[in-house]
Amino acid sequence: QIQLVQSGPELKKPGESVKISCKASGYTFTDYAMHWVKQAPGKGLKWMGWINTYTGKPTYADDFKGRFVFSLEASASTANLQISNLKNEDTATYFCARSKGYSGWYVMDAWGQGASVTVSS
Amino acid sequence: NTVMTQSPTSMFTSVGDRVTMSCKASQNVGINVGWYQQKTGQSPKRLIYWASNRDTGVPDRFTGSGSGTDFTLTISNMQAEDPAIYYCLQHNSYPWTFGGGTKLELK
Repeated sequence: QIQLVQSGPELKKPGESVKISCKASGYTFTDYAMHWVKQAPGKGLKWMGWINTYTGKPTYADDFKGRFVFSLEASASTANLQISNLKNEDTATYFCARSKGYSGWYVMDAWGQGASVTVSS
Repeated sequence: NTVMTQSPTSMFTSVGDRVTMSCKASQNVGINVGWYQQKTGQSPKRLIYWASNRDTGVPDRFTGSGSGTDFTLTISNMQAEDPAIYYCLQHNSYPWTFGGGTKLELK
């Protein structure tokens, strides 16, 4: 069955970096785009952007340009999110979610369980 | 950017009730809207895609409708397992944008 399994919770200090992984199984990894979504504690969902798992090209929403990097380990069917120079406001749960193809015609249909990142001094 | 405005932000309902929630887009998004259900401590689950297509396994009491700028999610017969936050998402143009959510609770 389709699974997106994310890495475990992280506790970091301001200024540090963190890398979150999302391992896909049960489907052909390169047939689906991978999106990233942020959910701050008690808040709603915010779309961060997506990565083309065939070409590796990332697309970022404006609020996530600069310190955020989407990458792939395609041979391992894994997508990664790296956040550098962490700030308190990066404290959130980060979800990966797939969508079919790369046209934007299909909306996300399967989600990871979420990875919690806490930034605190 | 396309702003998705959901209403109400929260509502209390009873088992058996008919529930209707709204999602309004700031510009025409066609039928490029999905609806998601998020229960406490869980990841979102897609219920509806392309505004009105129900996902496999989703009970038929969930119905999505609308096009253009006005969208609705209806639960025809509220059940005890339906309390959650419901989000709409437009994928017509980048950046994709979620509504703020409607929190549905039982009285």
